[in-house]
Amino acid sequence: EVQLVESGGGLVQPGGSLRLSCAASGFTFSSYWMSWVRQAPGKGLEWVANIKQDGSEKYYVDSVKGRFTISRDNAKNSLYLQMNSLRAEDTAVYYCARGPAYCGGDCYYVYWGQGTLVTVSS
Amino acid sequence: AIRMTQSPSSFSASTGDRVTITCRASQGISSYLAWYQQKPGKAPKLLIYAASTLQSGVPSRFSGSGSGTDFTLTISCLQSEDFATYYCQQYYSYPPLTFGGGTKVEIK
Repeated sequence: EVQLVESGGGLVQPGGSLRLSCAASGFTFSSYWMSWVRQAPGKGLEWVANIKQDGSEKYYVDSVKGRFTISRDNAKNSLYLQMNSLRAEDTAVYYCARGPAYCGGDCYYVYWGQGTLVTVSS
Repeated sequence: AIRMTQSPSSFSASTGDRVTITCRASQGISSYLAWYQQKPGKAPKLLIYAASTLQSGVPSRFSGSGSGTDFTLTISCLQSEDFATYYCQQYYSYPPLTFGGGTKVEIK
């Protein structure tokens, strides 16, 4: 059974940093593109970033470029999102997500984690 | 970025109703469209991909249609468990992948 479990969310002051993790199990992690998708309270879904199987390609939504870094450790079956210079508008539930087997970076998402809440506030 | 516009943003319906949600892309996306269902406090659930292909395990009362810029999600006979928010997502052109703003289906 595919499982994605996020952790690392919490309350952080504006300008602060936070590192999210996503522990993957039930599939060969190193074979899949992985993504982060977020949802601000009461709002819709927003794709944040994704990363190729070997980490050689990474893409970001414009609003987080230069502030967020996606990475992965295939030996640990883990996905990460390092978030720096956080702003109030980054407040959201952050989901780790995976597409189907044949997908590249441009895909839909079959599997989602339960999400971790990041709150940016003073 | 391709902008996805859903309509309506919310509406009320009764169990047994046939409901249709519309999603429009700001430019042609062929059939690279997915639909998700999300319930409060839960992660989204994939319903349909490639505009009209039902994800495994999803009830057949859900169907999708369209190509190019205009798409619809239809629930043929609304059940109590279908009251939720629905999102479309294009995966034709990225970055960024983009979602519609959502359509909330409420109980009348």
